[in-house]
Order: sequence, then structure tokens, then C-alpha cells
Amino acid sequence: DTAVSQTPKYLVTQMGNDKSIKCEQNLGHDTMYWYKQDSKKFLKIMFSYNNKELIINETVPNRFSPKSPDKAHLNLHINSLELGDSAVYFCASSQDPSTGELFFGEGSRLTVL
Amino acid sequence: AQSVAQPEDQVNVAEGNPLTVKCTYSVSGNPYLFWYVQYPNRGLQFLLKYITGDNLVKGSYGFEAEFNKSQTSFHLKKPSALVSDSALYFCAVRDSGTYKYIFGTGTRLKVLA
Repeated sequence: DTAVSQTPKYLVTQMGNDKSIKCEQNLGHDTMYWYKQDSKKFLKIMFSYNNKELIINETVPNRFSPKSPDKAHLNLHINSLELGDSAVYFCASSQDPSTGELFFGEGSRLTVL
Repeated sequence: AQSVAQPEDQVNVAEGNPLTVKCTYSVSGNPYLFWYVQYPNRGLQFLLKYITGDNLVKGSYGFEAEFNKSQTSFHLKKPSALVSDSALYFCAVRDSGTYKYIFGTGTRLKVLA
């Protein structure tokens, strides 16, 4: 059973489109995250939810909107996609938002043409 | 502001030799420190963490790390490298006063047979 699962794994789309990436964790964790990894492998935190409450909201364009319907799910919706949005997006979860290690999904590679 | 630095983009080591991957950090409160490994086209996997207690932390796959408060370092070590250890390694820090989890830029470890 996959602990943190993301769909889709690959996403190729045109500029200006809207797309969503879904994430689910079956670990019973309270906290979930979205990270962006660029082509140089730099990892940047985007958002974090703890028990469906937004606790981290980094400086990302407001075209990016997270949604947490329950504590096991954290989805990422992106409007009006731009070339610079091309990256690998990782979902992660942790039991404790302060001391807990992160459990990562396998990533969703977004390519904007 | 919290930050973490991995001064080496790449570390090469011969199989069977000891390896060290360096990490230094800066936080205003107590540091919570983590190491992760990323294999190609995979999500990050947790190796070990330092929260409090013994400065020498042992983790998965024979890795260990030493927390050095005076040098603000948390270097990753392994006594005898394996070719299968070749991967991208990330150090991460969390300030005890925030939920923000900051990753270093990553160090590519190459173990040569």
C-alpha cells in the first residue's frame, strides 16, 4: 500500500490551461505539504495544512490554490499555467508539523508547453 | 531567518571508503535537523533526524550524522560506502519556533566501484 500517493504522475499541458494534482496519504498524519522541485533539484515549500487548516503559505502566485477536503487529502489546483510552472511537485505528510519527518509521494512532473 | 547550506554540489568516493556529506545550518531557535535521500525519479526518503539528546544520530542504511552546535553543522557519514548509495542527498532544518521546513540545495553522491 502506497503511503503517500499523487496523481497524475506526469502531466503535459499547454500554457493558459488549468490543472489539478491530487494527493492522498493513508498514514493517519495530521500535516500535509506541497513542495516544488525545479530543474536544478531545488526544493521549495509551497503550502502546508495541519488538520485541514493552512499553516504555511509561501510566496507563490495566487494562481496556485491548495484544497484540503479532509486531513488525508491535499490537492493542488493551478490556474492559467505558465512555462515557469514546469517542475516536479511533491506532496508530503508528517505526523508532527514540528519534529516529524516527512513522507513524500513519488512526485508529479508537470510540463507546460 | 533559518537557512541550511550544503557546500558541495557533488561528492565522489570509492566503494568501501568512508563518506561524508556536509551540512551547516542557521536558525534562531533550537534546530531540528534531518537528512533525506532521493533516487532518480523518486520522492525523497527520510534517513535520520536530530531533535534533542545524543549528538550522534544513527539512521537507515548504515548512515549516521553528528550534530555539532558550536559549528552549527550536521554532517552525514557512513563508514563504508556502497555503489547503491549513489543518489542525491538533502539536509533540512526546521526552526523550533516555526513549522517551516527548509531544504538545502542537495549534494550528489557518487560512489565509484
